[in-house]
Amino acid sequence: GESVGLHLPTLSVQEGDNSIINCAYSNSASDYFIWYKQESGKGPQFIIDIRSNMDKRQGQRVTVLLNKTVKHLSLQIAATQPGDSAVYFCAENMQGGSEKLVFGKGTKLTVNP
Amino acid sequence: DSGVTQTPKHLITATGQRVTLRCSPRSGDLSVYWYQQSLDQGLQFLIQYYNGEERAKGNILERFSAQQFPDLHSELNLSSLELGDSALYFCASSVGGRKRDTQYFGPGTRLTVL
Repeated sequence: GESVGLHLPTLSVQEGDNSIINCAYSNSASDYFIWYKQESGKGPQFIIDIRSNMDKRQGQRVTVLLNKTVKHLSLQIAATQPGDSAVYFCAENMQGGSEKLVFGKGTKLTVNP
Repeated sequence: DSGVTQTPKHLITATGQRVTLRCSPRSGDLSVYWYQQSLDQGLQFLIQYYNGEERAKGNILERFSAQQFPDLHSELNLSSLELGDSALYFCASSVGGRKRDTQYFGPGTRLTVL
């Protein structure tokens, strides 16, 4: 069935370190993936996306890696800052389906000064 | 600020009641999506409207309904409320009906059913 899960519910890092947030997806028919950041009391905020015909995409301080062989997605944040503290969700969209997103449970990232 | 507005920010009501949540999409966006976020279920897609027409439906209960008006704002109606309906309800909007249009989320409405 449709499901997007996360390996770790929480992640704690030191300011300045790199963070890696992982996501496992189960639907091999998914062809589009998105990472969202949700700060306390706010709605999810788009970070970066990747299509299934790519295995890597870089943004500002963020990189998303996609491994379709093992159905794994990761978000790397370089030089993590206190403002990066939030819950991070991966979401998937299925090939041929509607625009609806299927979200994972989320990983809470805490950045320690 | 995503440009998507939702009202009210908080809503407290009793079981059996009916409430209406309102969403105004970003200027120019034609698609509106509703999601429910609860502690046990995470973010769940409810329903999507595109330019006034229902486009896709998720696990939306029959007690819930939505519509999108000619000015493109949308309302989510929740009736016969139960304790388990307590959650954050988010509206998102995107430019069109294409799969890879970025969905921008509003700040949400926190519904508490007592």
